[in-house]
Amino acid sequence: GAVVSQHPSWVICKSGTSVKIECRSLDFQATTMFWYRQFPKQSLMLMATSNEGSKATYEQGVEKDKFLINHASLTLSTLTVTSAHPEDSSFYICSAPHTSPLTAEAFFGQGTRLTVV
Amino acid sequence: DQQVKQNSPSLSVQEGRISILNCDYTNSMFDYFLWYKKYPAEGPTFLISISSIKDKNEDGRFTVFLNKSAKHLSLHIVPSQPGDSAVYFCAASRLQGGKLIFGQGTELSVKP
Repeated sequence: GAVVSQHPSWVICKSGTSVKIECRSLDFQATTMFWYRQFPKQSLMLMATSNEGSKATYEQGVEKDKFLINHASLTLSTLTVTSAHPEDSSFYICSAPHTSPLTAEAFFGQGTRLTVV
Repeated sequence: DQQVKQNSPSLSVQEGRISILNCDYTNSMFDYFLWYKKYPAEGPTFLISISSIKDKNEDGRFTVFLNKSAKHLSLHIVPSQPGDSAVYFCAASRLQGGKLIFGQGTELSVKP
């Protein structure tokens, strides 16, 4: 089946630095991808919709200058956490919708555990 | 505003018995509902879905029921197995291929 690959699976960075997370669709094209974050024991909160060839759409309360999203090709979306702070430490997950019009299923990456120290 | 709610944070069931996980939603515009299984530090894995034109969908041991008038859906797992122990999220979407709104999750523990 279709696979979404996310890299890295975990990263530790210092406060003030930036971190880039990649999300790739391996055997299908994705004009749209979604970025979520999950705090421990909580729900997956949608951060933004990544649109190939155009600007991302951010959910209310998500700082677009803080979380830069680039969808440069039909198989790659990147999320860059700029000037990271400890409160940005979280589990970040990307997803891409199934290409079949018969299902609303989405494929998820493995997630990235970000720890800012 | 929590549009999708899972009010039970945890559920414990004996192996072989039925597990029933519940989910409520508030937005009547949702047309698609999905259940995902998730382990810590991993991405969610799709289990089963249902569209708003149906009231039941079955796939092996998993059955999802949708009650549109009550804005309620449930996932039945029967028989439950220890390998089913995980966190289960329900999710809803207005569009096929659209963004998913997740509930808070229910941690299922199936005891041998």
